[in-house]
Amino acid sequence: ELKVEQNPLFLSMQEGKNYTIYCNYSTTSDRLYWYRQDPGKSLESLFVLLSNGAVKQEGRLMASLDTKARLSTLHITAAVHDLSATYFCAVEPAYSGGGADGLTFGKGTHLIIQP
Amino acid sequence: DSGVTQTPKHLITATGQRVTLRCSPRSGDLSVYWYQQSLDQGLQFLIQYYNGEERAKGNILERFSAQQFPDLHSELNLSSLELGDSALYFCASSREGDRADPTNEKLFFGSGTQLSVL
Repeated sequence: ELKVEQNPLFLSMQEGKNYTIYCNYSTTSDRLYWYRQDPGKSLESLFVLLSNGAVKQEGRLMASLDTKARLSTLHITAAVHDLSATYFCAVEPAYSGGGADGLTFGKGTHLIIQP
Repeated sequence: DSGVTQTPKHLITATGQRVTLRCSPRSGDLSVYWYQQSLDQGLQFLIQYYNGEERAKGNILERFSAQQFPDLHSELNLSSLELGDSALYFCASSREGDRADPTNEKLFFGSGTQLSVL
């Protein structure tokens, strides 16, 4: 059974600081997704990481994937209040037939950025 | 707006009852997925349909069933409801891309149906 662990589960930080959220998974996978969820809202796709060493950046967020270590990171640079949300990583098992079917989600990292 | 439409937004019902949740995928998306989000279990994959056929099954209870219709909208039926079924139910859709550009396959989520079983 695929397990996906995120840490930390809760993070309070100040504006302007940098921090990293970690996502570990238990079985072989070559596809990893990051999502953002605002309170009471739906999930918004941030990044799709498809291969070992993949790095993607958008604004103050940068995601990377190390398939050998089964680890993805989401790095926040110079955090701003608007980035406060819950961030989920999700993993597609390598044996799936393709497409984002049957994703296993981590429990999410609840991020609060204080002004 | 993700383009995925879910109705109703809120549903309050009693134990033992049956409800139907509806989802319209983004235009052109053939795959529909159902997820359940609760505080204790987190986000759990329930079931996936592709172009009308069941494609993948996750942690879906026998009391729950789903289908995808020819117009690609999907319904999730929950029966003999229990208190523990109270959760936020999300529908998501994706476009089947080819392996050369699988970024097309990311999920777009609807706004969810909040189910409360009293």
